[in-house]
Amino acid sequence: AQSVAQPEDQVNVAEGNPLTVKCTYSVSGNPYLFWYVQYPNRGLQFLLKYITGDNLVKGSYGFEAEFNKSQTSFHLKKPSALVSDSALYFCAVRDRDQAGTALIFGKGTTLSVSS
Amino acid sequence: NAGVTQTPKFQVLKTGQSMTLQCAQDMNHEYMSWYRQDPGMGLRLIHYSVGAGITDQGEVPNGYNVSRSTTEDFPLRLLSAAPSQTSVYFCASSYSGTGGAEQYFGPGTRLTVT
Repeated sequence: AQSVAQPEDQVNVAEGNPLTVKCTYSVSGNPYLFWYVQYPNRGLQFLLKYITGDNLVKGSYGFEAEFNKSQTSFHLKKPSALVSDSALYFCAVRDRDQAGTALIFGKGTTLSVSS
Repeated sequence: NAGVTQTPKFQVLKTGQSMTLQCAQDMNHEYMSWYRQDPGMGLRLIHYSVGAGITDQGEVPNGYNVSRSTTEDFPLRLLSAAPSQTSVYFCASSYSGTGGAEQYFGPGTRLTVT
């Protein structure tokens, strides 16, 4: 079975500091991995995804994520946080090797960036 | 493109009432899905469809029905509303239900069952 863990309910950082939002996954095969962001009272917006190839994936709004197969992780990072990055972030996984499997989401991490 | 649209945005139901949440997309996506979002629970898949005429159950299907008569529309029906169905419902679509296709989400429907 697929699963995603986001071990931190909330991450607090000061504006201008680097940020990391953690994600670990479990699939029986190889993963497709995604990050989404949700602003208050809005739907989820796609940020970036890992399909294959380079382990460092760059996405929207200056975010990037690093795929680490040995640690089964896909942490979201940004070198310099902005107050406007404050939102709810979701990691999601789909098993590449099992056709027809659904996209499974983690429980979400609230990022709070203070000025 | 309007993307994924959902109606209504807000709804209050009494226990036992039925209703349909509407979802439409104009991107010609084959795959559509419904999630519910509850605090601390993330998004949980209710039902999904890989194309017109094909639907399947997700993680939490009980109390909900779906049908997919066209590529564009994927309504979610609550048969007899219960307070446990109070939640925010999101519809999503993607060009494929497999592989690395990212999903596009609608703005959500906030449902309260009293």
